[in-house]
Amino acid sequence: GQQVMQIPQYQHVQEGEDFTTYCNSSTTLSNIQWYKQRPGGHPVFLIQLVKSGEVKKQKRLTFQFGEAKKNSSLHITATQTTDVGTYFCAGGFNAGNNRKLIWGLGTSLAVNP
Amino acid sequence: DAGITQSPRHKVTETGTPVTLRCHQTENHRYMYWYRQDPGHGLRLIHYSYGVKDTDKGEVSDGYSVSRSKTEDFLLTLESATSSQTSVYFCATASTGERINTGELFFGEGSRLTVL
Repeated sequence: GQQVMQIPQYQHVQEGEDFTTYCNSSTTLSNIQWYKQRPGGHPVFLIQLVKSGEVKKQKRLTFQFGEAKKNSSLHITATQTTDVGTYFCAGGFNAGNNRKLIWGLGTSLAVNP
Repeated sequence: DAGITQSPRHKVTETGTPVTLRCHQTENHRYMYWYRQDPGHGLRLIHYSYGVKDTDKGEVSDGYSVSRSKTEDFLLTLESATSSQTSVYFCATASTGERINTGELFFGEGSRLTVL
């Protein structure tokens, strides 16, 4: 079945360093969403990408959707302690008359001050 | 954040007992979802609803049932709880999308269930 692989599983950085997490699918996605979950919290929507090659920015966060719509990345420039949490991607697949949303396992980011 | 309230937030129960988790939303969102989150498995869809009295199974629906009699309420029932159902359960809603939504999901704060 469809899977969305997310790497790395964990990442520790020093405050001020950059961070990137990647999502890869073996099949073409209709769209991809990114969420952030703080420790003990609930997932919070960050962004949705739909178009091939799309790049979107939110302050220090840059999101990319690959040309083939099979991979995506989230890059954080100059991390801050407020960036701590787990970042999830969720890929949308067409499944007959329905669409399915398949979640990656997340990348947990720790930031040392 | 969307007004999504889950209850109870924490529950400890014994194997074999029935458990009902409630999700209440004030956003009038059409779509509602129940997920469970477990280490190493991420978020997995249990059941979802695309309208009042319209529900369907997700990828891990065995042992769970749902009901949606009103737009604002989505109930998840474990008929006979097992230790494998110890998890954190999240309700989510969405206003747009298709039958299994691909629009933005709004999550509740979660319900931590422990089955002894």
